[in-house]
Amino acid sequence: EPEVTQTPSHQVTQMGQEVILRCVPISNHLYFYWYRQILGQKVEFLVSFYNNEISEKSEIFDDQFSVERPDGSNFTLKIRSTKLEDSAMYFCASSAGASVYGYTFGSGTRLTVV
Amino acid sequence: KQEVTQIPAALSVPEGENLVLNCSFTDSAIYNLQWFRQDPGKGLTSLLLIQSSQREQTSGRLNASLDKSSGRSTLYIAASQPGDSATYLCAPGGNMNTGFQKLVFGTGTRLLVSP
Repeated sequence: EPEVTQTPSHQVTQMGQEVILRCVPISNHLYFYWYRQILGQKVEFLVSFYNNEISEKSEIFDDQFSVERPDGSNFTLKIRSTKLEDSAMYFCASSAGASVYGYTFGSGTRLTVV
Repeated sequence: KQEVTQIPAALSVPEGENLVLNCSFTDSAIYNLQWFRQDPGKGLTSLLLIQSSQREQTSGRLNASLDKSSGRSTLYIAASQPGDSATYLCAPGGNMNTGFQKLVFGTGTRLLVSP
């Protein structure tokens, strides 16, 4: 069964550093998402991406965050200057279209900011 | 804004019991609803997807129902096993009025099945 692949599985970074989280969505999917889950809290929506642009973003997704689909396969989330409160599990997901299909999630990247 | 509530927050049962997990959501203009399982520190495993036009879906010992008009879904687990111990997440997807596609997650039901 097709999978969404996320790398790295774990990342530790110093506060103020830039990080890039990488995702390879399912190849024929059209919609791409990033979610995060702070330890002990619920899964929160960050951003959705369709047709090479952001289609929706949450209040969490401020100017410190950006997303990119640099080629035909990768989908990245960049955090420009990490804060302690950015420590969380970050999940990438993709979908062929919610009106018909569900969403497939990657196994996540655990980001720890120290 | 979609709000999702899951009841109970935690559930502890002996092996073999049949279980019902409840989910309610405030905006019924959804495309679908998906149930996920999450093991501690792990990712999200999709269990069942119900489209807005469907009333229920079944997979093995799992059955999920959807009543879109009342904003409710239930996940029924038959003959529970210790391996079912996990957090179960309900996530209504999309909005037919706006065309937005995102999932909104509830806080989950933490299930412990004892041998």
